[in-house]
Amino acid sequence: AQSVTQPDIHITVSEGASLELRCNYSYGATPYLFWYVQSPGQGLQLLLKYFSGDTLVQGIKGFEAEFKRSQSSFNLRKPSVHWSDAAEYFCAVGHMDSNYQLIWGAGTKLIIKP
Amino acid sequence: DSGVTQTPKHLITATGQRVTLRCSPRSGDLSVYWYQQSLDQGLQFLIHYYNGEERAKGNILERFSAQQFPDLHSELNLSSLELGDSALYFCASSAGGLAGYNEQFFGPGTRLTVL
Repeated sequence: AQSVTQPDIHITVSEGASLELRCNYSYGATPYLFWYVQSPGQGLQLLLKYFSGDTLVQGIKGFEAEFKRSQSSFNLRKPSVHWSDAAEYFCAVGHMDSNYQLIWGAGTKLIIKP
Repeated sequence: DSGVTQTPKHLITATGQRVTLRCSPRSGDLSVYWYQQSLDQGLQFLIHYYNGEERAKGNILERFSAQQFPDLHSELNLSSLELGDSALYFCASSAGGLAGYNEQFFGPGTRLTVL
């Protein structure tokens, strides 16, 4: 069955350090890829998305993600995290095999050390 | 502010009861999605409506039902409530009908507590 895997449930990073959150999917062809962020007590907000074209995608709040077809991955990165980045991050995938419904990863909770 | 509104913000009720959660999508959006988020299950897709018609069903229990009205607002009805139904329920909306293609805008959620 199609799936989306975020292997890290929690990640702790020092403020100012770089960040990479992993996302892998199991679909044959290129799906539509999304990263959403959920700040404490809030709903989810789209950070960035990839449909086609340049495999390095820029999003809001200084985030970027790179689509790597050979690794079936869409990892989220930020060169220098801020305390306000503490949140839960969800990867989601849309694909014709799931009738274009979004399949969600389990989320990665980002903790920022001062 | 995403433009999606949900009421009520908090709801406390007892087991066996029935509740209705309400969602108003962003102006112009035709799709409404319902999600359940709990500590043990994570974010679970429940159901998707597009322009009044059910488009897709996810992990929605038979005790739960939803509808989308002609003015495009949606209601999620939860009946015979159990302790395990305590969760945060999100509504999201998008312009188009393909969930995997359109950005979804999420409301602030309704926190349901079943005692």
